[in-house]
Amino acid sequence: AQKVTQAQTEISVVEKEDVTLDCVYETRDTTYYLFWYKQPPSGELVFLIRRNSFDEQNEISGRYSWNFQKSTSSFNFTITASQVVDSAVYFCALSEVEYGNKLVFGAGTILRVKS
Amino acid sequence: DAGVTQSPTHLIKTRGQHVTLRCSPISGHKSVSWYQQVLGQGPQFIFQYYEKEERGRGNFPDRFSARQFPNYSSELNVNALLLGDSALYLCASSWTSGSTDTQYFGPGTRLTVL
Repeated sequence: AQKVTQAQTEISVVEKEDVTLDCVYETRDTTYYLFWYKQPPSGELVFLIRRNSFDEQNEISGRYSWNFQKSTSSFNFTITASQVVDSAVYFCALSEVEYGNKLVFGAGTILRVKS
Repeated sequence: DAGVTQSPTHLIKTRGQHVTLRCSPISGHKSVSWYQQVLGQGPQFIFQYYEKEERGRGNFPDRFSARQFPNYSSELNVNALLLGDSALYLCASSWTSGSTDTQYFGPGTRLTVL
C-alpha cells in the first residue's frame, strides 16, 4: 500500500539556520515518483521537485537540496540558510506508475522561520 | 501563461445543500485532478479526468461527482453537504494522467459548511 509519513508536525528555526524536513514512504512498486510541494498561507501547492525511483542522485537547487535513499525509503529536504519567506507547510508525496500520476501525500510539516 | 484557476475562492453553504466548484487547467493540459484538504492534513485524492474520461476515483462517497468538458475545464459537485465536507478543494492539472507528468495545483476553493 502507498503511504507517506512526515513525522515532524512543526519545526521552528531562526533565520539563517539550516533545517531538514523528513519524509519516509512505503510502496510495493519498483517504479515510483517522489515529490515535494510547498504550501504558503495563500493555500496554493507549489511544486518543488520530482524524483523517480531509479535516480538516487542527490539534487541541489539554490538553497534547497534533496537526499533520496532507497535503502531507508526516505526522501529528505534540506533548506540551507533559511529565510522568513520559507515559512510554509511542506508536503512530501508519492505516485506509483500503476496509478498514473495520482498523488498520495504525507500530513505535512509546518516550518516557521523567525527573524 | 496562466496557471490553474479555480472558482469561487471561498464558499459558505449549509448542511444538505449542493455545491459546484470549477477549475480551468493550464493551457495545453488535458488532465485534471481534484483533491480535498481538511485543515491540518495533507490533500486526499478525489477524482482524475483525462480527455473527458474518469481515470481514477478516491475513497469518497457517491455524493461527490465530477466531469470534464471539451475545453478540459472541470467541475466538482458535492450533494447533500455535511459539516465534514468543510475543506480546501484543490484542482491540479497535467499534460496527461501518466506517471511521468507532474501535477500543478491551483489556489483552491475553501468550502465552509455550516
